[in-house]
Amino acid sequence: ETGVTQSPTHLIKTRGQQVTLRCSSQSGHNTVSWYQQALGQGPQFIFQYYREEENGRGNFPPRFSGLQFPNYSSELNVNALELDDSALYLCASTRGDSGVSPLHFGNGTRLTVT
Amino acid sequence: GIQVEQSPPDLILQEGANSTLRCNFSDSVNNLQWFHQNPWGQLINLFYIPSGTKQNGRLSATTVATERYSLLYISSSQTTDSGVYFCAVGYNTDKLIFGTGTRLQVFP
Repeated sequence: ETGVTQSPTHLIKTRGQQVTLRCSSQSGHNTVSWYQQALGQGPQFIFQYYREEENGRGNFPPRFSGLQFPNYSSELNVNALELDDSALYLCASTRGDSGVSPLHFGNGTRLTVT
Repeated sequence: GIQVEQSPPDLILQEGANSTLRCNFSDSVNNLQWFHQNPWGQLINLFYIPSGTKQNGRLSATTVATERYSLLYISSSQTTDSGVYFCAVGYNTDKLIFGTGTRLQVFP
C-alpha cells in the first residue's frame, strides 16, 4: 500500500508568479486535505476535497484554489504569489466516508517565494 | 474556534531521560492526534487518541476529554526522538487545528 506522495519536493518562485503543487492520495482514500506550515509554526488547514468537491476551507484567500481528480489525486494552485506564501505545503489523505480518522501526511513541498 | 496550547515550548534532554508533553484545548473535541515532525520536515502520525490511553513502544498518550487536555509520554528518550511534537484537534471533522508544538532536543 503506497502512502501519500507529493511533488515537487522543493520549488522556488518569484513574487507574482503562479504555482501548482501535486498530491497523490493513499490507496483507498477519497479525501485530500492541504495544510500550510510557515517556519516555526504548526500546520494550518487550507482546504479539503472529498469526491472531487471542496469540503471545507480555512482562512485563506481565493488565490489559493484546488482540484481533485477522479483518481482522488489533488492539486493546490496559488496565484499571484506573495513572499509570505513561502512555507512547507503538506497534503494528507483519509477515507472520508468512514468518519473521523487518523491523518497521514506526505513529505511536503517546500515553496520559496523571492 | 478551538484554541490549542502546548507546553513546554522547548525541551532539552539527555539520552535515556523521560519526558511529558502537554496539550490543552479550549472546547470539546472528538478528534485528537499527536504528530512528530523530524528535522527533515516529515510529519508522522503517532497517535489518534480522542480519549483514553494508548501505548506504542516507548511512547504513550493519554487524553482526558472532559478536562480538555492530552499528555504524550516519551520514555528512555533517544536522539532520534528529536524534532517537534504537535497536538492537533477537531470536532466531528478531520480538518485539524494544530498547536504551536514542543521542540525536543535529545543529546547523547
